[in-house]
Amino acid sequence: RKEVEQDPGPFNVPEGATVAFNCTYSNSASQSFFWYRQDCRKEPKLLMSVYSSGNEDGRFTAQLNRASQYISLLIRDSKLSDSATYLCAARNNAGNMLTFGGGTRLMVKP
Amino acid sequence: DVKVTQSSRYLVKRTGEKVFLECVQDMDHENMFWYRQDPGLGLRLIYFSYDVKMKEKGDIPEGYSVSREKKERFSLILESASTNQTSMYLCASRLAGGTFQPQHFGDGTRLSIL
Repeated sequence: RKEVEQDPGPFNVPEGATVAFNCTYSNSASQSFFWYRQDCRKEPKLLMSVYSSGNEDGRFTAQLNRASQYISLLIRDSKLSDSATYLCAARNNAGNMLTFGGGTRLMVKP
Repeated sequence: DVKVTQSSRYLVKRTGEKVFLECVQDMDHENMFWYRQDPGLGLRLIYFSYDVKMKEKGDIPEGYSVSREKKERFSLILESASTNQTSMYLCASRLAGGTFQPQHFGDGTRLSIL
């Protein structure tokens, strides 16, 4: 079993839709979590950190469920420009290494 | 803004060559990382470095070595390149300390071994 798992998708949604991705992690000692966005043939870019209490940044909301060991990303009012691959990452309690999921591909259609 | 610069966007080398991939960051970050990314396999950690002259193996270190002589520079070396090392290579850096310090990535080097 992979340490961090994501549904690879693709998720095909119309513009304006709300879409949610989950990411499960197997290491219960994982301390912190992140969502990255990666465009085709580009590097991953930090989208947001995921805090225990949940956090929101504009149309994006990230949540952490420690009991069930998953994090989620909710995108409201999807834009064409949101089309990308979304990677989740978990940091272990040693603090320095991130383990990445395989990514979920989102395609927003007009 | 954090700037992580990789020396080449595209590189073509031949089997058996010694290949150097360079990464420089300008934010005085202690931690630096080298990953490769392949379709269906995601991002896999090759090596990382906590600080100058320190290095640790990641998940797939075989066939690679690294050098961290200066804080801002982390080099990945393919000792004798093979075709299965054709991949996208990504360097990242991070400020040490603080649970929520993220990693910042360079643009990536798309390496082809012929």
